[in-house]
Amino acid sequence: DTEVTQTPKHLVMGMTNKKSLKCEQHMGHRAMYWYKQKAKKPPELMFVYSYEKLSINESVPSRFSPECPNSSLLNLHLHALQPEDSALYLCASSREGRDQYFGAGTRLSVL
Amino acid sequence: AQSVTQPDIHITVSEGASLELRCNYSYGATPYLFWYVQSPGQGLQLLLKYFSGDTLVQGIKGFEAEFKRSQSSFNLRKPSVHWSDAAEYFCAASGYSTLTFGKGTMLLVSP
Repeated sequence: DTEVTQTPKHLVMGMTNKKSLKCEQHMGHRAMYWYKQKAKKPPELMFVYSYEKLSINESVPSRFSPECPNSSLLNLHLHALQPEDSALYLCASSREGRDQYFGAGTRLSVL
Repeated sequence: AQSVTQPDIHITVSEGASLELRCNYSYGATPYLFWYVQSPGQGLQLLLKYFSGDTLVQGIKGFEAEFKRSQSSFNLRKPSVHWSDAAEYFCAASGYSTLTFGKGTMLLVSP
């Protein structure tokens, strides 16, 4: 089983809203990732959690706040987003930081 | 700097014809290499990976890739393309924990 589950699939929010994206995996992977992907572009790494600790933050604005409550769950809290933050947000996980398995993504629209 | 190059932005192949997607990498040492496929609005699916050993790697959906150290290449091949193969294909490389993606190649399949 190589499944990474992301919810919700679609999200529309205003610039003053607070929302959260969720990601779950039950493969025993100890590294989890958040990516942002704009249309016709490759994914851009945002955050990496290794053994539930934030190990990489790619200079992401503070309106994006990651959280790893346990080894199976990864959240991305969103607050005061801008229209340019509209994108596909992808979660991934890996066992030893090599091959990453991706979820189907959350399509986010900021109005 | 580490980089992955996919020289073809778009490729059109007739259904039933063979396919080769090109990928070149620039890394300090031989990285781990991957091919992912992404259908519109979906997440990335891992097609195959190369870590070491046999330079011809078999993947899912009838895809294979060949690692050539002398050419710093990891080209993806399929002997007979199906209409359902139309998608975006990303080559990626990893030193250990993070992926460097190429810009992607969009595969179009003509009847």
